[in-house]
Amino acid sequence: EVHLLESGGGLVQPGGSLRLSCAASGFTFSTYDMSWVRQAPGKGLEWVSAIGGSGGRNTYHADSVKGRFTISRDNSRNTLYLQMNSLRADDTAVYYCAKDRGSGWYNFDHWGQGTLVTVSS
Amino acid sequence: DIQMTQSPSSLSASVGDRVTITCRASQSITNSLNWYQQKPGKAPKVLIYAASNLQSGVPSRFSGSGSGTDFTLTISSLQPEDFATYYCQQSYSTPATFGQGTKVEIK
Repeated sequence: EVHLLESGGGLVQPGGSLRLSCAASGFTFSTYDMSWVRQAPGKGLEWVSAIGGSGGRNTYHADSVKGRFTISRDNSRNTLYLQMNSLRADDTAVYYCAKDRGSGWYNFDHWGQGTLVTVSS
Repeated sequence: DIQMTQSPSSLSASVGDRVTITCRASQSITNSLNWYQQKPGKAPKVLIYAASNLQSGVPSRFSGSGSGTDFTLTISSLQPEDFATYYCQQSYSTPATFGQGTKVEIK
């Protein structure tokens, strides 16, 4: 059974940094593209970042986080990461990791339970 | 970026009703369209992928149709557990984009 477990969220001041992790199990992690998707309180879903499977050479970021967030993965640890720098109040959201189903990018078939990031002074 | 527009933004319906939600893309996305259901405090769950394919384990009362720019999610007979928010999402190009959501409430 596929399982995705995010961690690393919390309260951080504007301008601060945070690293989110997503521990994956139940599938061959290195084979699948992965993404981070966020949801601000009471709002809709926003794709944030994506990374290719083996090697993770291909990475993509939404314009809203480009230059501030970096997605990476450690296939030996079955873990996805999101390094978030220069955080702003509008980055406050629940951050979900999502697994692609393997038929092209951005077809999410499993999601984690999410981790809340709050950016506030 | 491809804009995804859902309608309606919310609807009230009764158990047993047939419910239809539409999603329009700002340009053709062929069949690269997914539908998700989200309940309060929970992660989204995929219902339909590639416009019309039912995700394993999802009840057959859910169906999807469409291609190009216009898509539909249909619930043939609304059940109590279907009251939730539904999102469409295009996977045709980067960035992936979602519709604003349709909240299905109890009448």
